[in-house]
Amino acid sequence: ETGVTQTPRHLVMGMTNKKSLKCEQHLGHNAMYWYKQSAKKPLELMFVYSLEERVENNSVPSRFSPECPNSSHLFLHLHTLQPEDSALYLCASSRDRALDTEAFFGQGTRLTVV
Amino acid sequence: AQKITQTQPGMFVQEKEAVTLDCTYDTSDQSYGLFWYKQPSSGEMIFLIYQGSYDEQNATEGRYSLNFQKARKSANLVISASQLGDSAMYFCATISGGYNKLIFGAGTRLAVHP
Repeated sequence: ETGVTQTPRHLVMGMTNKKSLKCEQHLGHNAMYWYKQSAKKPLELMFVYSLEERVENNSVPSRFSPECPNSSHLFLHLHTLQPEDSALYLCASSRDRALDTEAFFGQGTRLTVV
Repeated sequence: AQKITQTQPGMFVQEKEAVTLDCTYDTSDQSYGLFWYKQPSSGEMIFLIYQGSYDEQNATEGRYSLNFQKARKSANLVISASQLGDSAMYFCATISGGYNKLIFGAGTRLAVHP
């Protein structure tokens, strides 16, 4: 399998639930990212991991908790979410920090919080 | 901070015609990269084309070309010979020094009519 794979593709959860989003890349990339895409808003960068170390956290609420156990896997753990957290969550990876390195995206997890 | 502005929320074009999607950027960095991504209804972000700030020639990739005007800080995407499968959201993005944080614009929805 190649590219960036995200599971599940769709998730509906209650505000008291705990769930996790999974991202896997088989491209040998060093960096992985979580983005949030809400309706009528630009994509928002949430977290950046480089060589399994979190290097950026863009003021994301603590109810979102990322985990990067190795360079191929990235998780986003969710707990006590709010309805406004409903969005498309996109994972991406890139080869390195060079300016000409494009990011490869997964198909996203469409999250609905009820 | 970097910023991307896409002023066209929606565009439509006749099949086989060319279309230009506008993008202006704001950055204080001397070195930066500019990207265009396509997002079909499936959700995945698909990389289309890249332009580096020091590239003297406009980037081209098949039917896609980037009209890069550095002095005006614009990086418009030109799609030639539009196809029905080009109907999607198109995002302009920039990247700057440090980790590969893509900053996206709000996007333009393109509809190709037969």
